Amino acid sequence: SAVISQKPSRDICQRGTSLTIQCQVDSQVTMMFWYRQQPGQSLTLIATANQGSEATYESGFVIDKFPISRPNLTFSTLTVSNMSPEDSSIYLCSVSGGSTEAFFGQGTRLTVV
Amino acid sequence: QKEVEQNSGPLSVPEGAIASLNCTYSDRGSQSFFWYRQYSGKSPELIMFIYSNGDKEDGRFTAQLNKASQYVSLLIRDSQPSDSATYLCAVTTSGTYKYIFGTGTRLKVLA
Repeated sequence: SAVISQKPSRDICQRGTSLTIQCQVDSQVTMMFWYRQQPGQSLTLIATANQGSEATYESGFVIDKFPISRPNLTFSTLTVSNMSPEDSSIYLCSVSGGSTEAFFGQGTRLTVV
Repeated sequence: QKEVEQNSGPLSVPEGAIASLNCTYSDRGSQSFFWYRQYSGKSPELIMFIYSNGDKEDGRFTAQLNKASQYVSLLIRDSQPSDSATYLCAVTTSGTYKYIFGTGTRLKVLA
C-alpha cells in the first residue's frame, strides 16, 4: 500500500485568491489523480497528473482553473485558482496501480468566503 | 456517459443484522469493482475489490458481482454501529486507470 501525505488539511480562503495543495507519496507511482468531493456528493475526477507531461483533465475542468504540477514520481500539486464559493469542497489526491485499489490522501477541506 | 449508481439512503439496519448495499454501472467494459467506506470528514478507505463474477468474502464483508446484470453489491454481516458510514462503489474500465465513483449509500446501524 502507499502512504499519501496531503497538505494543507484545511483552509479558509478569500474569493479571487489561489490555493496550492501538495501531495507526497512514500513510494514512486506512475499515476496520481486529483478528485473533488463537493458537500454531500461523491468523488469527481479532476485530472490525472502525469510525470514529465501535462496533466490530463476531465470534462468540465480546465488547466487555467486547476493547474497541476508533477515534478517527479512521488509528488504533485493542485492549484485552485481565482477561487469562488463554488470551489468550496474537499480535494483529494489519489494514487493507484490501475486494477488494484486506489489510495487516498487525507484530503484538503477548502472553504471559500 | 459512464455512470455508477447507488441508492443514497440512508439505509438503516439494526445492530447484528445484514446490511445489503447495491450498485449498478452502465459501462459493460468495466473490469474492476471496488467498495470504499467513508466516515464523515474522512477520506475513503478500501473495503474490498472484486474482478470476477460471483462472491468474494472477507471477514464480515461479502462482495457480489454479476457482470451480465451490471450489478455489484456489498453485504455486511453482523452489522455494528461502527459500520455507520457512507459506502462508495467505484469501477474502472479496461485500458484506463480512472475510477468512476457512485454517489454513495449512507448506512446507519442502530444500536
